[in-house]
Amino acid sequence: DAGVIQSPRHEVTEMGQEVTLRCKPISGHNSLFWYRQTMMRGLELLIYFNNNVPIDDSGMPEDRFSAKMPNASFSTLKIQPSEPRDSAVYFCASRDTGAGVEKLFFGSGTQLSVL
Amino acid sequence: AQSVTQLDSQVPVFEEAPVELRCNYSSSVSVYLFWYVQYPNQGLQLLLKYLSGSTLVESINGFEAEFNKSQTSFHLRKPSVHISDTAEYFCAVSERNTPLVFGKGTRLSVIA
Repeated sequence: DAGVIQSPRHEVTEMGQEVTLRCKPISGHNSLFWYRQTMMRGLELLIYFNNNVPIDDSGMPEDRFSAKMPNASFSTLKIQPSEPRDSAVYFCASRDTGAGVEKLFFGSGTQLSVL
Repeated sequence: AQSVTQLDSQVPVFEEAPVELRCNYSSSVSVYLFWYVQYPNQGLQLLLKYLSGSTLVESINGFEAEFNKSQTSFHLRKPSVHISDTAEYFCAVSERNTPLVFGKGTRLSVIA
């Protein structure tokens, strides 16, 4: 299995632009998580889905952030408009809900820089 | 709600020396505890876990952690570190099947 695949690996954009991050979970996994990593706050859970349905989005910082999971093999995290404080590494992770909570597999992340 | 505190943001240590990375958690119920490792430009990987049973858990590469309920701690130790152990280490907690809550991480730098 190729693991969790995220794209792009790096994104540099200007303040005010729309940014879309993409994630393909491991085939057969029915839970998907979006995390954000910063020096100040460490790794924060933004939102997670079970069976394509958003379960908890309380970690999404503002209305500028939105996430979708149109099918079991694809999810997006969108920031519109982007701001410099959104600069961070964004990780997607997936697991099989029936497996242990620790069996969480992470992608390599998207390094976002908003200038 | 549960939370995790990693007391040290950076830990430099010489090769072959012992190391301890500290982790404390808070939760009102029984928890599962984990350590994850992140190598440069990679995602996190599970290093070891405590779910139940023996309070001392070990990884395949020589790390161990001990669950101490009275001190609400889950410190990570290794008696002799190697250059390849240089990475960021995250402690995490879960109240049964809830999503993992991570600490801010500890950057371990092993010096030759």
